[in-house]
Amino acid sequence: GENVEQHPSTLSVQEGDSAVIKCTYSDSASNYFPWYKQELGKGPQLIIDIRSNVGEKKDQRIAVTLNKTAKHFSLHITETQPEDSAVYFCAPYQTGANNLFFGTGTRLTVIP
Amino acid sequence: DTEVTQTPKHLVMGMTNKKSLKCEQHMGHRAMYWYKQKAKKPPELMFVYSYEKLSINESVPSRFSPECPNSSLLNLHLHALQPEDSALYLCASSQARGGSWGTQNEQFFGPGTRLTVL
Repeated sequence: GENVEQHPSTLSVQEGDSAVIKCTYSDSASNYFPWYKQELGKGPQLIIDIRSNVGEKKDQRIAVTLNKTAKHFSLHITETQPEDSAVYFCAPYQTGANNLFFGTGTRLTVIP
Repeated sequence: DTEVTQTPKHLVMGMTNKKSLKCEQHMGHRAMYWYKQKAKKPPELMFVYSYEKLSINESVPSRFSPECPNSSLLNLHLHALQPEDSALYLCASSQARGGSWGTQNEQFFGPGTRLTVL
């Protein structure tokens, strides 16, 4: 199965700073790359995704970049706010595949 | 309505009890999922239903029994659980399983049921 790792596992930043989380995967057939945010007491929610024919996608303060050759993609959050504090999961996926493997997770803490 | 609802929010049961978890969505999604999430771990896929048929069972013990009565509902029947089964059980849905581009791949998650087995 897919081997998915995230780094770092925990990240603390001051409010207003940027945060970057990297996801490394093993299955070269993966072609859909979402990031999920899980707040305390809630289920994961999709915040941004990218497909393999695109190298970068931005949505306001968050962006995702993809390096398919190196098999990694990253989540970028700029101007962080306390409400960005959560656990973030990547979940690289091959359309039509049987399974969705979540990464190991990154706990982001934004310090006011 | 882009919400997936799950009941109950919390459940405490003994090892000899029988209980059920319920999940409901009204987005017209035809794929529904059960995940198990232990503390500080990522969700792990248990079952996938596609068009009301079980399409994936990730080698889950038979003490967990899924059921999909219709396209909007998904149940997880629990019987003779073990303390190590205590976890957050998440339900999710998507427009379809697999497929090509578009929004078919996005999974919408419910808030989960926090299960404690004594």
